[in-house]
Parts: sequence; C-alpha cells; structure tokens
Amino acid sequence: AQKVTQAQTEISVVEKEDVTLDCVYETRDTTYYLFWYKQPPSGELVFLIRRNSFDEQNEISGRYSWNFQKSTSSFNFTITASQVVDSAVYFCALSEGPNTGNQFYFGTGTSLTVIP
Amino acid sequence: EPEVTQTPSHQVTQMGQEVILRCVPISNHLYFYWYRQILGQKVEFLVSFYNNEISEKSEIFDDQFSVERPDGSNFTLKIRSTKLEDSAMYFCASSDRQTNEKLFFGSGTQLSVL
Repeated sequence: AQKVTQAQTEISVVEKEDVTLDCVYETRDTTYYLFWYKQPPSGELVFLIRRNSFDEQNEISGRYSWNFQKSTSSFNFTITASQVVDSAVYFCALSEGPNTGNQFYFGTGTSLTVIP
Repeated sequence: EPEVTQTPSHQVTQMGQEVILRCVPISNHLYFYWYRQILGQKVEFLVSFYNNEISEKSEIFDDQFSVERPDGSNFTLKIRSTKLEDSAMYFCASSDRQTNEKLFFGSGTQLSVL
C-alpha cells in the first residue's frame, strides 16, 4: 500500500485562481512528520513546509496554506491567487518517527500548470 | 541560503560501466542521503549516511551501489556496473539533525544509461 497518495496527477488553472493539491497518507505511527516539496522545471526539490503529527493547526504563508486533518489522514495544500511561477510538480512526503534513517516516503506528485 | 551541490548535472554512460555521482552537502550538516526519481515517477529513498556509515538503506540499494564520504566535504554515490534501469535523476540531500528533520536537496544528476 502507498504511504502517501496524491490522486491528482495533473492540474491546470488560470492565473489568479485558487488551487488545492490533495495529499492522503497512511501510517501506524503516532509520531510522524509531513512535508511538501516543490519541483520547478529546473528540477531541484524545494522545501515548503514540515508539520508534525501533534500539531493540527493550519498554517498560512503568504499565498500558501496547508490544511492538516488527522481524522482523514490528509495534508492538503492550497495556493491562493495562483501565478505562473507556481507551475511545478508538488510532492507530499511522510517521515515516520522517531526515524533513525530519516527516510522520506514521497507521493507521486501533482503537476500544476498555471496558465497566464 | 546554503545549498547542496551536485555534479555533474547530466551523466551519460554505457551499460556495465561504473559511475560516480558527486555531492557537496551543506557544510554543517551531518546526515546525508541519496534519493532517485525515475522519469515521471515518485522520488524514492536509496540510503542514509551518518558518522561514516550507512544508517539505513532501501531494497533498491543493492550490492552494485555504494556510498562514501572521501573527505570533509564530498559525499559520493557509486554504481558499480550500471544497468538500463538505473537511468534516473539522482538527488543528494543533507540535514543537520537526524530525526524527521527537513531535507535540503541538491538539484540532481540526471543519469542516462545506454
């Protein structure tokens, strides 16, 4: 079974629209960490956010916001007023812990295209 | 912001050849990792490394793979006898703490095995 599922393979939106990227995870650990990474066309993986399993507060950072719901095992990512520069592949990842190897389990990614 | 640096950005090799992928982690980090991403697929864990030894490795990381920290700054991944299915983007990452800490990734080395 997949530990992290990103059901949306590709999403296209028109600039200034809001868009939500879904992430569902599966773990038996009570302590775990969730991450979002952005992979722009240049290929690198850029860290966006890290949340631990004990902190269910939603977080907002500029146009980005994250909705963590343990009841549904989801950690969704919303971009408000999308811009062309947001076009990238976005990966959700899970780290179970305490984790001696700090192994991340990545989802398959959602490719977001923002159309000008 | 400090960066993880990977060289080369692209590597083309013949099947059966040995390749070494190089990484310079962030200077004060102590934990190092290799991940790979086959085209269009998810990023997969290969190995983690701390204090000059492997901490954890996945089933992908078989005997043809090895890692080394030959000096105080470099971290290398060697593939002894490359196969076609080794073609992928290889990412190096580092972190300053061990447990579930965010990883800083390099920009990757695209390996193509012909």
